[in-house]
Amino acid sequence: NAGVTQTPKFRILKIGQSMTLQCTQDMNHNYMYWYRQDPGMGLKLIYYSVGAGITDKGEVPNGYNVSRSTTEDFPLRLELAAPSQTSVYFCASSYSAANYGYTFGSGTRLTVV
Amino acid sequence: AQKITQTQPGMFVQEKEAVTLDCTYDTSDPSYGLFWYKQPSSGEMIFLIYQGSYDQQNATEGRYSLNFQKARKSANLVISASQLGDSAMYFCAMRDDTGGFKTIFGAGTRLFVKA
Repeated sequence: NAGVTQTPKFRILKIGQSMTLQCTQDMNHNYMYWYRQDPGMGLKLIYYSVGAGITDKGEVPNGYNVSRSTTEDFPLRLELAAPSQTSVYFCASSYSAANYGYTFGSGTRLTVV
Repeated sequence: AQKITQTQPGMFVQEKEAVTLDCTYDTSDPSYGLFWYKQPSSGEMIFLIYQGSYDQQNATEGRYSLNFQKARKSANLVISASQLGDSAMYFCAMRDDTGGFKTIFGAGTRLFVKA
């Protein structure tokens, strides 16, 4: 049981480049989330999805886009990368039941130079 | 708006002793969930314990317990019999039960366990 799989684990981007962070879960979770964690800080919600075809903005959505065409996949797209997007990105998923914590992926460390 | 506050940037505890990590929260919603997550130096996020806003008893999971004081809006994590492997960053989090189950996180407390 793989849980939540994120790729890549590390990436260096040049300013203005674009990329997609991949996230896949095999637990049939309806709810999926993207967070970013800046050094020494807590996690900030970028986007979330309550099911296939449904996405919504979180606290810090600017500069990002998401899609949810299947239950399993929730990719995060960065357009025109900026140094402010240097961060660790976590994908997470959860059951719809209220008392379950999130299952997190292992994270993607992104540096924009 | 919901808010989570962790006022202890760092804490030290002697091995085998108990330690309390503080967390206060603010919300106007009657239904919410409170969580603690552990982040070791390897970087992964590990779910530790959950407390629902309507739960009458404090949650416990092995050596972890959550001291839930609803009137004071606090949800402190107590780790008993600390082990060297407990050295990590600990995040308090609150989930919105109104839809989407969005969760906000505190800034975290770094715990150092001394041998």
